[in-house]
Amino acid sequence: QQQVKQSPQSLIVQKGGISIINCAYENTAFDYFPWYQQFPGKGPALLIAIRPDVSEKKEGRFTISFNKSAKQFSLHIMDSQPGDSATYFCAVLKMDSNYQLIWGAGTKLIIKP
Amino acid sequence: DTAVSQTPKYLVTQMGNDKSIKCEQNLGHDTMYWYKQDSKKFLKIMFSYNNKELIINETVPNRFSPKSPDKAHLNLHINSLELGDSAVYFCASSQTSAANTQYFGPGTRLTVL
Repeated sequence: QQQVKQSPQSLIVQKGGISIINCAYENTAFDYFPWYQQFPGKGPALLIAIRPDVSEKKEGRFTISFNKSAKQFSLHIMDSQPGDSATYFCAVLKMDSNYQLIWGAGTKLIIKP
Repeated sequence: DTAVSQTPKYLVTQMGNDKSIKCEQNLGHDTMYWYKQDSKKFLKIMFSYNNKELIINETVPNRFSPKSPDKAHLNLHINSLELGDSAVYFCASSQTSAANTQYFGPGTRLTVL
């Protein structure tokens, strides 16, 4: 049962462009929405996260937009750079006795110079 | 300096063998995890330990057995390796089982021939 749907699977963007990755979730009980970035040969690392009490969070060139009613959130990378080329994972935090991240399937982002 | 470390980084072995992967974190965290990442980059949680106690045990063949000698270490032992076990295995830790952020190790690429 897929609780987090991430799209697209892969994305190619020109340098300087805007990269947009989307996630949709099914359970309204989630209350923490992080994005992780994974470079080849490395483990994922937290990039940016948002809670459902705000609709947007910005950190540098990275912005999360959150739509609680639509149960969707997205990652926007402004002025995309070749160094942003990585796999990006959205996740949602499941509120129960064991706080367990539920992961999207990942998006491979390639920024062309 | 390394926060979450894993050994070995690469492991190539024959079907039917038994192997172990070791994980150590020096962050003082209470909770540790094992994830499996398949060739399509999908991240699947396998186990989680909180202060040496198993708290998450996903549907994983019982050939996989985690062991936590202390809260800084979480090892993964795999018996009777199969071709389908080939993947990258990530160890991660978080401050507590209720903490939002997980810190990942560099991964162990397991290849079963």
